[in-house]
Amino acid sequence: AQSVTQPDIHITVSEGASLELRCNYSYGATPYLFWYVQSPGQGLQLLLKYFSGDTLVQGIKGFEAEFKRSQSSFNLRKPSVHWSDAAEYFCAVGANNNNDMRFGAGTRLTVKP
Amino acid sequence: NAGVTQTPKFQVLKTGQSMTLQCAQDMNHEYMSWYRQDPGMGLRLIHYSVGAGITDQGEVPNGYNVSRSTTEDFPLRLLSAAPSQTSVYFCASSYSLTGNEQFFGPGTRLTVL
Repeated sequence: AQSVTQPDIHITVSEGASLELRCNYSYGATPYLFWYVQSPGQGLQLLLKYFSGDTLVQGIKGFEAEFKRSQSSFNLRKPSVHWSDAAEYFCAVGANNNNDMRFGAGTRLTVKP
Repeated sequence: NAGVTQTPKFQVLKTGQSMTLQCAQDMNHEYMSWYRQDPGMGLRLIHYSVGAGITDQGEVPNGYNVSRSTTEDFPLRLLSAAPSQTSVYFCASSYSLTGNEQFFGPGTRLTVL
């Protein structure tokens, strides 16, 4: 069965600094990969997804992620963080079916002024 | 569109009580699901439905029942609440079972005393 590891529980960055959130997955075939963001008291919102094709995926709010098959990783990046990016970020991996999706434990992002 | 709505937002139960968490979507999505979110564990799938009249178990179904009498509604029933069911519950919907973005509701925070 697939699994997802987000090694960083909590990350703090200064506003304007770059950001990289790590995600490693375990899956036997080509995975479907997702990044979701959860603002306090809100549900999850999809930032971006990878199914196939170009391994660098662009998402909403200026985020991007790169699929690296050799490293089983799908790290999320943003060149310049804004205070409004403070939230919890979840990586998820799935097969073709939504009911096979597995979520990581999440990384909480704090943005310093 | 209201998207995915959940009621109530907060609920406190005593051990042994029963209750129903409501979920509705107005996007005509066939696939709906319930997740629970616990600290350090990400989201785990409780039950899901691929259409009216069709439901199935997810990763952690014990202690929960679901039904899907209409496309729009997917209630989650706790039969006899236990402290281990203290969690945040999210309902989600998707156009179909296979590899599509899931849209999440705002969540219900449940405490069982």
